[in-house]
Amino acid sequence: SQLAEENLWALSVHEGESVTVNCSYKTSITALQWYRQKSGEGPAQLILIRSNEREKRNGRLRATLDTSSQSSSLSITATRCEDTAVYFCATDTNTGKLTFGDGTVLTVKP
Amino acid sequence: NAGVIQTPRHKVTGKGQEATLWCEPISGHSAVFWYRQTIVQGLEFLTYFRNQAPIDDSGMPKERFSAQMPNQSHSTLKIQSTQPQDSAVYLCASSLEAGAGNTLYFGEGSRLIVV
Repeated sequence: SQLAEENLWALSVHEGESVTVNCSYKTSITALQWYRQKSGEGPAQLILIRSNEREKRNGRLRATLDTSSQSSSLSITATRCEDTAVYFCATDTNTGKLTFGDGTVLTVKP
Repeated sequence: NAGVIQTPRHKVTGKGQEATLWCEPISGHSAVFWYRQTIVQGLEFLTYFRNQAPIDDSGMPKERFSAQMPNQSHSTLKIQSTQPQDSAVYLCASSLEAGAGNTLYFGEGSRLIVV
């Protein structure tokens, strides 16, 4: 999607390492959402960060939002093999629908 | 507490045939969304309903694709005269309400293969 895009197509880390997925977007947003999609499953929400928030945490996950540069990041600490998935950012506007980026494939190796 | 249920999980259809995909949203959710996922195009929005009424179908191909929500417990996506380029995973999602700041809960998807 041209409205949201992750900056790298693929990342690979070893278990226990930290990793950051970046996202840039091109529209005014009400919120930005991060989703994870494991093989054979539908996407599942990880974090929703509203436009007036700068940081949001959920366990080992931390999302940041910079509305001035229209960018967001999702950091995962102490990665596990089960974090292997495709990670999407999605712009959330007043239209009611989400527009997803192309996704970043994260592989966590033992 | 069942999630979004999509059937069939897999469907192979011949070119020119019709395909109907079903979605049962989470009970109590007022909004239902359809997305299409391919390697090339990624996750594309197709259409969504709020309280069974069609709200936005801006992503639907104008020909051959139609979606309905006859009651609050299911929605259908119908593709007439299927073409190979319709091959994709079709994902249904529901949310408690429509509008910004709502979480979408996705089903596992229906993989359509047109041969």
